[in-house]
Amino acid sequence: EPEVTQTPSHQVTQMGQEVILRCVPISNHLYFYWYRQILGQKVEFLVSFYNNEISEKSEIFDDQFSVERPDGSNFTLKIRSTKLEDSAMYFCASKTNSGRTGEQYFGPGTRLTVT
Amino acid sequence: GQQVMQIPQYQHVQEGEDFTTYCNSSTTLSNIQWYKQRPGGHPVFLIQLVKSGEVKKQKRLTFQFGEAKKNSSLHITATQTTDVGTYFCAGYPGGGNKLTFGTGTQLKVEL
Repeated sequence: EPEVTQTPSHQVTQMGQEVILRCVPISNHLYFYWYRQILGQKVEFLVSFYNNEISEKSEIFDDQFSVERPDGSNFTLKIRSTKLEDSAMYFCASKTNSGRTGEQYFGPGTRLTVT
Repeated sequence: GQQVMQIPQYQHVQEGEDFTTYCNSSTTLSNIQWYKQRPGGHPVFLIQLVKSGEVKKQKRLTFQFGEAKKNSSLHITATQTTDVGTYFCAGYPGGGNKLTFGTGTQLKVEL
């Protein structure tokens, strides 16, 4: 069964450093998402992406964050200057259809630790 | 902002007991989705409910969407250790396209 993959599984970085989290969505999916989950808390929407553009973003997704689909398969989340509070699990997700219906398929996540 | 709350936050049950988690939104939802997250894992889609008052069953799991489309519940009959995890409801409050997750209910099942 197709699945979303993410690399790395764990990233440790120093405060102020840039990180890039990578995702490979399911190949025939057109809508891509990033979510964040601070340890023990709920899953929080960061950004949605379609047709090489950001569709929606949350208040969390400020100027320090950016997303890109550099080629036909990868979908990346960049944090320019990491802060301690960016430490969290970051999940990529994708789905086939637009709108507010349909299952989102989540990747296994990247645990980001900012020291 | 739009809130999706769940109660209880935690639930410990003995294997074989029933379990229910309740989800409440501050605004009307076009649909409600339920996800399960195993410890150390990622959210996995369980089901989507769209119609007011809709009830769906998956084996021992029963999902309900309220008449006003602002609340939902998940009921598990005769829990098993494989049911352990955190159950999240999720929806699109306020007419936007941001999938908003509930606060989650963590279920622990003891033998």
